[in-house]
Amino acid sequence: EPEVTQTPSHQVTQMGQEVILRCVPISNHLYFYWYRQILGQKVEFLVSFYNNEISEKSEIFDDQFSVERPDGSNFTLKIRSTKLEDSAMYFCASTDCAGSCEQYFGPGTRLTVT
Amino acid sequence: QKEVEQDPGPLSVPEGAIVSLNCTYSNSAFQYFMWYRQYSRKGPELLMYTYSSGNKEDGRFTAQVDKSSKYISLFIRDSQPSDSATYLCAMSANLGTYKYIFGTGTRLKVLA
Repeated sequence: EPEVTQTPSHQVTQMGQEVILRCVPISNHLYFYWYRQILGQKVEFLVSFYNNEISEKSEIFDDQFSVERPDGSNFTLKIRSTKLEDSAMYFCASTDCAGSCEQYFGPGTRLTVT
Repeated sequence: QKEVEQDPGPLSVPEGAIVSLNCTYSNSAFQYFMWYRQYSRKGPELLMYTYSSGNKEDGRFTAQVDKSSKYISLFIRDSQPSDSATYLCAMSANLGTYKYIFGTGTRLKVLA
């Protein structure tokens, strides 16, 4: 069964460093998302991406964040200068929205900023 | 008022019990309603997806949506210890991006 994959599973970085989180969405999907979940809190929407551009972004998704689909398979989230409060699980999701629009989530990347 | 409210639990039930999990919401634009199961430090796994009002059944799981009351439920019949997880409700309005708004999740423990 096709699934969303994410790498790395765990990333530790120092405050101020840049990180890139990688996702491979399900191959025929067209809409891509990043969500984050701070430990013990709810899953929060960050950004949606369709047709090679951002469709919508939340207040959390400020100038420190960017997304890119560098090729036909990968979808990346870059945080330019990490802060302690960026520590969270980051989930990538995708959907084909052909009829129904269920989003399928990846296993997540745990980002720890020290 | 929060857009989506969900009792965080924890909810402990004996094996075999019927479990009822619920969410309320305030945004009448929501049309898509999802239930996800999340094990500790893992990604959300889609269980059920419902469009608009009504019921949907899949094996031991039944999802109900009452748009007039802005209330959704997930019932788990014959609960098993393997059902122990956090259950997240998520909702979406048909506004193009289909972003999901999640509840906080209810932690369920099924005791053997």
